[in-house]
Amino acid sequence: AQKITQTQPGMFVQEKEAVTLDCTYDTSDPSYGLFWYKQPSSGEMIFLIYQGSYDQQNATEGRYSLNFQKARKSANLVISASQLGDSAMYFCAMRDTNAGKSTFGDGTTLTVKP
Amino acid sequence: NAGVMQNPRHLVRRRGQEARLRCSPMKGHSHVYWYRQLPEEGLKFMVYLQKENIIDESGMPKERFSAEFPKEGPSILRIQQVVRGDSAAYFCASSKSSPPRAGDTQYFGPGTRLTVL
Repeated sequence: AQKITQTQPGMFVQEKEAVTLDCTYDTSDPSYGLFWYKQPSSGEMIFLIYQGSYDQQNATEGRYSLNFQKARKSANLVISASQLGDSAMYFCAMRDTNAGKSTFGDGTTLTVKP
Repeated sequence: NAGVMQNPRHLVRRRGQEARLRCSPMKGHSHVYWYRQLPEEGLKFMVYLQKENIIDESGMPKERFSAEFPKEGPSILRIQQVVRGDSAAYFCASSKSSPPRAGDTQYFGPGTRLTVL
């Protein structure tokens, strides 16, 4: 069975600094996808970034990058140059080759301080 | 290009009533997924549907809950005889590829917040 673990219930970061949100996963499937979503206080789920298990390079999307360490089964999200609008809940998720449901972690609440 | 549409955004029901939640996937997407988010928790998978077929309902409660995705029209998540524990945000997501792949992003709708009085 798939499992996603986010060990940081809450994180604080100063505006303009970088922050890393942790995510570890467990699966027996060799082919899988890892995703990060942002959920602001308004409640919608916003897709941020995707990493495939066979991708050789870490994914990047603007200020978001994914630090993918396959051997350690970790897929940490790095947000550079934090902005006040980055304050939100962040979820790590995984899909395997069955490619149906996604399994989500419990989330990390990020607060950016001015 | 419209995203995933869900309605209503907020729904209030009294115990014992029925709740119907609707989801229209993104244009060109043929796979629909429903998730439930209890307060202060992550999203939990409920059901995965393609047009006219339930593919995976392993996360659906055995009683009172049902889902459909007809050939025409939106996907419907139906909760009969609601109880207070059903109060949650219900999210619909859609994806495109057929057959679906692990890297096929699921795009989420804005959710329906169900409150059971």
